Amino acid sequence: KAGVTQTPRYLIKTRGQQVTLSCSPISGHRSVSWYQQTPGQGLQFLFEYFSETQRNKGNFPGRFSGRQFSNSRSEMNVSTLELGDSALYLCASSLGRLTDTQYFGPGTRLTVL
Amino acid sequence: EDQVTQSPEALRLQEGESSSLNCSYTVSGLRGLFWYRQDPGKGPEFLFTLYSAGEEKEKERLKATLTKKESFLHITAPKPEDSATYLCAVPPNQAGTALIFGKGTTLSVSS
Repeated sequence: KAGVTQTPRYLIKTRGQQVTLSCSPISGHRSVSWYQQTPGQGLQFLFEYFSETQRNKGNFPGRFSGRQFSNSRSEMNVSTLELGDSALYLCASSLGRLTDTQYFGPGTRLTVL
Repeated sequence: EDQVTQSPEALRLQEGESSSLNCSYTVSGLRGLFWYRQDPGKGPEFLFTLYSAGEEKEKERLKATLTKKESFLHITAPKPEDSATYLCAVPPNQAGTALIFGKGTTLSVSS
């Protein structure tokens, strides 16, 4: 069974630009969560989508948004990029929402110059 | 506040030198504790899920155990390929798949 895939794997943007990251979950998984990983803060939860609805949101500004499509694929958008947004963005999928194991993709490395 | 704390931050072992990593948590009503392994520049790889105190799970040289306030990841006779960052995570006290991660323990095993 194919794992979680994320595209692109690497991105370089400049301050003020916006970016869209894509995530395809494991086949049959309906829940997709996004995390930001930085050396200083570690892994931090961004948001969770289930059945095309955002069910949970972490403590990030409104510049961070996302959506989920009917096939469970998800996209994450960051507008007005700041230097501090440079990070590894990870997508994880799980079958459902409660205590199901999350499986992570390889991540998208975003660098903001 | 829900918190996950891992110790030590870094651990250097010689090949064959067994040790343990610690993960302590403050979440009440634990709905699961997850261990992941992460190699540099890659996404976390799932290792174990533990649900109740006293539970143990093993995989090759790794064994995870759980008590009411902490979990241990025991590494027996490690090899250089076990070098990685080991992360533990718990769901907070709310529904959903959000996980609170510890900062991780970076393990280096030299031959």
